[in-house]
Amino acid sequence: DTAVSQTPKYLVTQMGNDKSIKCEQNLGHDTMYWYKQDSKKFLKIMFSYNNKELIINETVPNRFSPKSPDKAHLNLHINSLELGDSAVYFCASRAGGGYTFGSGTRLTVV
Amino acid sequence: KQEVTQIPAALSVPEGENLVLNCSFTDSAIYNLQWFRQDPGKGLTSLLLIQSSQREQTSGRLNASLDKSSGRSTLYIAASQPGDSATYLCAVRSNDYKLSFGAGTTVTVRA
Repeated sequence: DTAVSQTPKYLVTQMGNDKSIKCEQNLGHDTMYWYKQDSKKFLKIMFSYNNKELIINETVPNRFSPKSPDKAHLNLHINSLELGDSAVYFCASRAGGGYTFGSGTRLTVV
Repeated sequence: KQEVTQIPAALSVPEGENLVLNCSFTDSAIYNLQWFRQDPGKGLTSLLLIQSSQREQTSGRLNASLDKSSGRSTLYIAASQPGDSATYLCAVRSNDYKLSFGAGTTVTVRA
């Protein structure tokens, strides 16, 4: 069973559209994250939730809105998509020590 | 703000050679440090996790050291194989629960 699963794996959409990426973890972890990996492969944190509460919110446009219906899920909704939003988005979870990452969602905005 | 640097950015070695990947960080007040592997178009696979109180961790052919006071970690891969070809990422967890990544070292092991 996949520990941290993201859907969809690939997403191609037009500028101006609204899209969501879903993330689920079956590890029982309390904390979940969204990271963005840009074209230069650099990973940057976007958001973190602990037990459904937002604890980290980096400088991210408010077109990006995370939603955590329960501690096993952290979804990312993006409004009015722009070309610069094209990247790979990774979900991760953590309990205590190390992080476990999902396999990523490659978003391409055309 | 924690900044993580990885040197070199790329490395190409013949099969069988040992690999040495370096990671440095600016703020020594860390909780732990984690090494990941990323294959092209894939997610991140955790390799080793070193707590701030530890000096090193080992798993098979991999050994990672941590010198918190000098802000450095080194990942050693012994007797490299073509299957070790990937990008290796160093990530530092600061005490504010953020995980800061380096830009990675892309390794190519030639058969």
